[in-house]
Amino acid sequence: EDKVVQSPLSLVVHEGDTVTLNCSYEVTNFRSLLWYKQEKKAPTFLFMLTSSGIEKKSGRLSSILDKKELFSILNITATQTGDSAVYLCAAQPSSGTYKYIFGTGTRLKVLA
Amino acid sequence: NAGVTQTPKFQVLKTGQSMTLQCAQDMNHNSMYWYRQDPGMGLRLIYYSASEGTTDKGEVPNGYNVSRLNKREFSLRLESAAPSQTSVYFCASTGDSSQPQHFGDGTRLSIL
Repeated sequence: EDKVVQSPLSLVVHEGDTVTLNCSYEVTNFRSLLWYKQEKKAPTFLFMLTSSGIEKKSGRLSSILDKKELFSILNITATQTGDSAVYLCAAQPSSGTYKYIFGTGTRLKVLA
Repeated sequence: NAGVTQTPKFQVLKTGQSMTLQCAQDMNHNSMYWYRQDPGMGLRLIYYSASEGTTDKGEVPNGYNVSRLNKREFSLRLESAAPSQTSVYFCASTGDSSQPQHFGDGTRLSIL
């Protein structure tokens, strides 16, 4: 059965800290892994990773995929209170399928 | 710049009542999805439509029906609501399977 597991479930840090969120996956014929940020409403897209070892970066956020060990990490440096959200990871099985398997998310709270 | 629009935003139903959740996207996307999000469960796929004229079951389709009315609109129907269907429902769309999904703001549905 395809599955995605995120850890930790929740995390509380202070502004300025660096955090690492983890996502491990088991999917049939893996194609891509996606990260989303969910504040109060709609999840918003952060990164899509398809190649192992290539870091994607956007400002203070970065992510990398390890296809051999079947996991991805999302790093946030110099955290701000605006980073407080639930971070979702999703894996997509092989091409030609439109299904995405989501993890349960990591709830991050950044204290001022 | 509407993106994915869901209506209604909130709804309270009594057990046994029927309800249709509406979703429309203005990005000319081919694929559309319905998810439910419950505490500790992440996003679970109910139904999806890979392209206009097609629909397929996801992980948790029981108790739901869908209609892909045209390329823009994808509705989710609860024929006889049950308390177990209390959840937040998200609609999403994507251009093709190589692109990330865009989500609507969700419909919070309570069934008493």
